[in-house]
Order: sequence, then structure tokens, then C-alpha cells
Amino acid sequence: GQQLNQSPQSMFIQEGEDVSMNCTSSSIFNTWLWYKQDPGEGPVLLIALYKAGELTSNGRLTAQFGITRKDSFLNISASIPSDVGIYFCAGLTTSGNTGKLIFGQGTTLQVKP
Amino acid sequence: DAGITQSPRHKVTETGTPVTLRCHQTENHRYMYWYRQDPGHGLRLIHYSYGVKDTDKGEVSDGYSVSRSKTEDFLLTLESATSSQTSVYFCAISDPGRGPGTQYFGPGTRLTVL
Repeated sequence: GQQLNQSPQSMFIQEGEDVSMNCTSSSIFNTWLWYKQDPGEGPVLLIALYKAGELTSNGRLTAQFGITRKDSFLNISASIPSDVGIYFCAGLTTSGNTGKLIFGQGTTLQVKP
Repeated sequence: DAGITQSPRHKVTETGTPVTLRCHQTENHRYMYWYRQDPGHGLRLIHYSYGVKDTDKGEVSDGYSVSRSKTEDFLLTLESATSSQTSVYFCAISDPGRGPGTQYFGPGTRLTVL
């Protein structure tokens, strides 16, 4: 089946540093999404990307839809302690009128104050 | 926040017993999903529903069944629980009108099978 490879698996950074993570696939996706999961909660949508080459920001977060449509990147600028959590990329596959998400394994981010 | 609740939030059960998890939404969204989350695997789709009484299998559906008799409720049943089904289960809903792939997740149910 389709798989998404997310890297790095974990990061431990100092508050104020910038963070970069990426997601790659052997398959093409027409939609990429980034979710964040806080401890003990369900994932929350951060950014959705619908067009190859698209660059979209949400506050300190910036995500890009790779030109090949096989990858996506998420950057967090000037990290703060509340950025702690697991970040998931997801690619959307469609069959008929039903869309299903394929998730990466997640990047665990820890921020040291 | 999307109106999604899951019950129970925690459950411990014995191997071989049946277990039903409930997902309830107040958003009237057509699509509902059940995922399991395990370390190193992210979230994997178990089953999904595209309308009342319309369901289909995801990538890890073996050992699970679902039912949707009302728009607002989507039930996940483990007919005979096994230790490999110890996991955190998430329900999600979506409305394509809000953007393809934009799923909203419930708080999760932590299931332990002894």
C-alpha cells in the first residue's frame, strides 16, 4: 500500500530555534495536509495544500507542496514551548467521491525552554 | 472545535471479549472514519462511512466491524478482542465542502486488551 516517510522521527530543540520536517512518498498526491497532535488529544489540522508548488503559511508555520507532488515540507519559525507535540503529514487519496488520508509516522517535537 | 465525542475514553478488557466504541458528532457531516494509532505507525484507517448504512474497509480492517444507523453515530466493534488490538482509537469526520481531506478528529479512546 501507499506509505509516507516522515523525517526526522524526533527533534529536541531550544526555544527560539526554527524547525524543519518533511514527508516523502513513492506515490503522487493531489492534496497534502499537516496535522499536530498534543499529548492525550486528537490531531488538529494545521495546513492544507492543494496545488503543486504551493507555499502556505499559518502564523509561524509554513508548509510547501513539492513540485513533484511526492513530497511536502513543514517549517516552524521561532519555536515556543507550546509547539511540543507530534506532527503528522498526510496525503489524500480519492476513490469515487470518497477521500482517504494516508498518514506519515509522525515527527515528535520537544522544545527546551 | 468540531463537535465530536468518543466513548468510552478509556477501556480495559480481556482477550476474547466483544468491545464497542462509539463516535458521536453534532456537525451533520456525511463522512466518518475510524483510525488506530500505534507508535511508529502514525494513524491507520480501519473503516470509514460515506453515509448512513454505507461503510467500507480501510487498510487495517481485519478483526473490526462498523455500523452507522444514524448520521451522528459511527460504531466500531471488536467482535473478539485480541492483545494486538491494544491501541488508541480515533474517530474523525469530514465535510468535503470545507476542503478535501480536512478531517476533524475526536479526543480518542485508549483501549487495553489483557
